[in-house]
Amino acid sequence: GAVVSQHPSWVICKSGTSVKIECRSLDFQATTMFWYRQFPKQSLMLMATSNEGSKATYEQGVEKDKFLINHASLTLSTLTVTSAHPEDSSFYICSARPADTDTQYFGPGTRLTVL
Amino acid sequence: AQSVAQPEDQVNVAEGNPLTVKCTYSVSGNPYLFWYVQYPNRGLQFLLKYITGDNLVKGSYGFEAEFNKSQTSFHLKKPSALVSDSALYFCAVRDWGNFNKFYFGSGTKLNVKP
Repeated sequence: GAVVSQHPSWVICKSGTSVKIECRSLDFQATTMFWYRQFPKQSLMLMATSNEGSKATYEQGVEKDKFLINHASLTLSTLTVTSAHPEDSSFYICSARPADTDTQYFGPGTRLTVL
Repeated sequence: AQSVAQPEDQVNVAEGNPLTVKCTYSVSGNPYLFWYVQYPNRGLQFLLKYITGDNLVKGSYGFEAEFNKSQTSFHLKKPSALVSDSALYFCAVRDWGNFNKFYFGSGTKLNVKP
């Protein structure tokens, strides 16, 4: 139980284009989903918290206009990296929290490479 | 403010030997502590958590962790390491005021050699 999927698992795009990453909770409903960024050999940095049906809460220093988050349903959240640049290249990981627990369950991550 | 520290970047252990991955915490209020494991190019997998109760918490894949309030530690342990345990391990603490927010340690790479 508590499986979270991400799509795509990896993506390569040209500088200036936008990329959408999907995060799905497969066997539970997630009122809250989270987006993290992980740099090589470093820990996870929380980018934003996404609540179904409301605007995402962004962490300090994260550009909300660049990293658009939509939590359209209880099982789906999307992260769109707009006008991507090489410095946006990273490993993006989502997590989802069932309503009845404080445990977060993580997706497998998406490797974004911007050329 | 909440934080966790993992003092070791890397831990090496021989297969069959016991392993310990260290974590210390700093919190205001009661600590809510977690351990996650990450395999290469994968997301994090939940291993175990401590909320309250017994100081020894048992989790997935034979792992356990010992909560020590006086030493503010939450070390991850396993009696007999497997080569397949080789991965990156993260300790995390949940924010006291915002239960949605987790603070992760820097991670410890565990190498189990045959």
